[in-house]
Amino acid sequence: KQEVTQIPAALSVPEGENLVLNCSFTDSAIYNLQWFRQDPGKGLTSLLLIQSSQREQTSGRLNASLDKSSGRSTLYIAASQPGDSATYLCAVTSRGNYQLIWGAGTKLIIKP
Amino acid sequence: EPEVTQTPSHQVTQMGQEVILRCVPISNHLYFYWYRQILGQKVEFLVSFYNNEISEKSEIFDDQFSVERPDGSNFTLKIRSTKLEDSAMYFCASRGDMGESALHFGNGTRLTVT
Repeated sequence: KQEVTQIPAALSVPEGENLVLNCSFTDSAIYNLQWFRQDPGKGLTSLLLIQSSQREQTSGRLNASLDKSSGRSTLYIAASQPGDSATYLCAVTSRGNYQLIWGAGTKLIIKP
Repeated sequence: EPEVTQTPSHQVTQMGQEVILRCVPISNHLYFYWYRQILGQKVEFLVSFYNNEISEKSEIFDDQFSVERPDGSNFTLKIRSTKLEDSAMYFCASRGDMGESALHFGNGTRLTVT
């Protein structure tokens, strides 16, 4: 059974720092991995999608990597800003049932 | 950019009442999903829908739940007799193909059962 874990559960850093959020999954048989952002009480905004054949994807200050064999993904945020404060979720689409399996998220606070 | 829309944004209902949560997926998408997130917990899969039928459902999706695509645009989730533990954020999502493309989510409906 696929399980997704995100570490750390919470992270607080000063504005301007570069940071890395981690996601691990137990079953490497995936179609893709997505990183989402969720603001308090709000919906899920897709940030990046990495296909299983890809190693990384970039969008602006965000860079996501995928190492399928080790079951790991990282989300790198460069030059963090207070507006980046949110919960970041990773989720994998498992082969076989196509369901999206979610991590519990990392709550990120960027201090001005 | 096309988006998934959900209505209402917040629904309050009494225990035992029926509720219908509505979603309009992205127009050319073929696969539709409902997920829920109880406050402070992980997002959980409820059901997937393709070609006018349920393709998969989780243990959460018991006989109290049903989904329907009544016309070419709407996708609904019905809870027949709500329980307190049904209080959660319910997200609708759609994608264009089975596994390779990104899942697009609506902003969710916050359901509060009193």
